[in-house]
Amino acid sequence: EAGVTQSPTHLIKTRGQQATLRCSPISGHTSVYWYQQALGLGLQFLLWYDEGEERNRGNFPPRFSGRQFPNYSSELNVNALELEDSALYLCASSEGTGAGETQYFGPGTRLLVL
Amino acid sequence: AQSVTQPDIHITVSEGASLELRCNYSYGATPYLFWYVQSPGQGLQLLLKYFSGDTLVQGIKGFEAEFKRSQSSFNLRKPSVHWSDAAEYFCAVGTWTNNDMRFGAGTRLTVKP
Repeated sequence: EAGVTQSPTHLIKTRGQQATLRCSPISGHTSVYWYQQALGLGLQFLLWYDEGEERNRGNFPPRFSGRQFPNYSSELNVNALELEDSALYLCASSEGTGAGETQYFGPGTRLLVL
Repeated sequence: AQSVTQPDIHITVSEGASLELRCNYSYGATPYLFWYVQSPGQGLQLLLKYFSGDTLVQGIKGFEAEFKRSQSSFNLRKPSVHWSDAAEYFCAVGTWTNNDMRFGAGTRLTVKP
């Protein structure tokens, strides 16, 4: 069974540009989560999508947005990039939305903002 | 709101020695607790999880963790560390609502030959 996949693996942008990151969940999983792992800040919860809807959002500005497609894949968009957006962005998926559903992580997209 | 503290940023152990990584959580109800491992340049892999029942949980790669409600702790242990265990370890707490999983800051494990 294929795991969570993310693309691209690396992304280099300049300040002010937009970045688009993609995630494909494990087959049969309907929930997708996005996390930011910045150096020295640990994993910070960004967004949770389920059945095409945004269900929860972490403490990030509105320029971080995303969507989930009918096939449950997801896209994270970061507008007006800032230097501090440089981080590893991890996507995870889970089978359902029950309390404590185990999240399975992809390898991440490393975003570098110059 | 729930939170997780991993008091040790970096731990070094010799290969073959025992290991204990500490994790303390703060949450008003019975938590869901997880340990993940992240190898360099990789995503996170689930080691084990605690939902309810037996407070000693067995995971993959020979790891186990013990839930102690009185101490709000969920420490990860391994009796004999292998060089391949060198990685970063994250403790996480999940909640009953919003699927909002909070992670600790992580503990980096170095294994000496």
